[in-house]
Amino acid sequence: EAAVTQSPRNKVTVTGGNVTLSCRQTNSHNYMYWYRQDTGHGLRLIHYSYGAGNLQIGDVPDGYKATRTTQEDFFLLLELASPSQTSLYFCASSDAANSNERLFFGHGTKLSVL
Amino acid sequence: AQSVTQPDARVTVSEGASLQLRCKYSYSATPYLFWYVQYPRQGLQMLLKYYSGDPVVQGVNGFEAEFSKSDSSFHLRKASVHWSDSAVYFCAVSATSSGQKLVFGQGTILKVYL
Repeated sequence: EAAVTQSPRNKVTVTGGNVTLSCRQTNSHNYMYWYRQDTGHGLRLIHYSYGAGNLQIGDVPDGYKATRTTQEDFFLLLELASPSQTSLYFCASSDAANSNERLFFGHGTKLSVL
Repeated sequence: AQSVTQPDARVTVSEGASLQLRCKYSYSATPYLFWYVQYPRQGLQMLLKYYSGDPVVQGVNGFEAEFSKSDSSFHLRKASVHWSDSAVYFCAVSATSSGQKLVFGQGTILKVYL
C-alpha cells in the first residue's frame, strides 16, 4: 500500500504569516496533488505535479505556491496567510498518467489562520 | 470542464438497511468515475471506479455503483449497511483528456444508527 505522509498534522498561524505544508510519498509515484477540503465544497484542487521540478495549476490556486523538489516531496506554501485559507489540506499521489488510476491520500493537515 | 454534484449532504439509515448515495456528473464524453470514502480523521480511500464495460462495478466492503450515461449518474449502493460504514462519501470524475485531474463532489455524510 502506497504511503503518503503529511506534516504537520495541525498548524495555527496568524493573518499575514508564512506557512509551509509538507508531503512525502514513498512509492515513487509520478503525480502528486494538493487539495483543500471545506464544508459544502468537497475537495478542491490547488496545485499538482507530474514530476520533480514540474508544477501544474489546479482549480483554486490563488494565494498558494507549490514546489516539487524531488519525486517524493511536494510542498505547499502560503506566503501571506489569510483567514479564508483556514481549511483541511490533503496531499495525494498516483502512479501513472492514466485518468483511471486511483489516488492515495495522506491523513491531512488542519490549518487555522487567525 | 467536468463537474460532479452530490445532491444529498447528509443521509441517515439504520443498520441493516439498504443504501443509495446519489451522484450526478457533467462531462461531454464518457468520463472516468470514482467513489472515495473518508473515515473520521483519515484521508480518502478509493471504494471503486468505472471507466468502461459493465455499468455495474463492484467495490470493497460490499459497495457497488451503477453508471448511467443517459442519466449522467453514478449512484453508490449497498444492500445492508453496518454502523462502521458511517463516513463521508465522495463521488469524483476525471475527464479522459485531462490526465490525472480529479474533480470531487461536495460529499455526503452517512450516519448509520444501531
